[in-house]
Amino acid sequence: EIVLTQSPDFQSVTPKEKVTITCRASQSIGSSLHWYQQKPDQSPKLLIKYASQSISGVPSRFSGSGSGTDFTLTINSLEAEDAATYYCHQSSSLPQTFGQGTKVEIK
Amino acid sequence: QVQLVESGGGVVQPGRSLRLSCAASGFTFSSYGMHWVRQAPGKGLEWVAVTSYDGSNEYYADSVKGRFTISRDNSKNTLFLQMNSLRSEDTAVYYCAKGTSAAPNDYWGQGTLVTVSS
Repeated sequence: EIVLTQSPDFQSVTPKEKVTITCRASQSIGSSLHWYQQKPDQSPKLLIKYASQSISGVPSRFSGSGSGTDFTLTINSLEAEDAATYYCHQSSSLPQTFGQGTKVEIK
Repeated sequence: QVQLVESGGGVVQPGRSLRLSCAASGFTFSSYGMHWVRQAPGKGLEWVAVTSYDGSNEYYADSVKGRFTISRDNSKNTLFLQMNSLRSEDTAVYYCAKGTSAAPNDYWGQGTLVTVSS
């Protein structure tokens, strides 16, 4: 089973600041890494697919990068509505797995 | 627009069974794999199971293998999760999600809560 480890677990950020969340895989997964945003009492929402591909309707301040074992989600100029928990997810091999999540709080 | 609506959750005693359903609309259901993903209260996401577009292939997390069965009825655009021998650690919100075994889950339902308690 591929283990995904996110860092940090929690981040408190002021609006307009840049946020960087990393996800490290226990073995190479190519680009089969996806990012989701989950707000309280809502279901997860796909933000970025295949490491860096944008999703229609997702604000352009969200971007992804990386390949192999190291991946990054970047939120440029954080907005209040971005307060949420962010998860990485690998679909390279079964069982699919998720990172433990990174909670982003607005100061 | 794509819609996934789960149902069938509730409170059940340990050792009993429950069947969840997920009604799909807004896309060609029979062309896509489907997943179940769960989230225990206050915890992260845990992948549970996937079925192929035609139901001929399925795969399970070790934590549910032998107790849960994923299935689908393409004539009714519905996904199922039969959960047997339930344990307290199965308590979670269960989400159905659209996606193949090698792709992201691009649409999710709103979830249904399963509570296993005596």
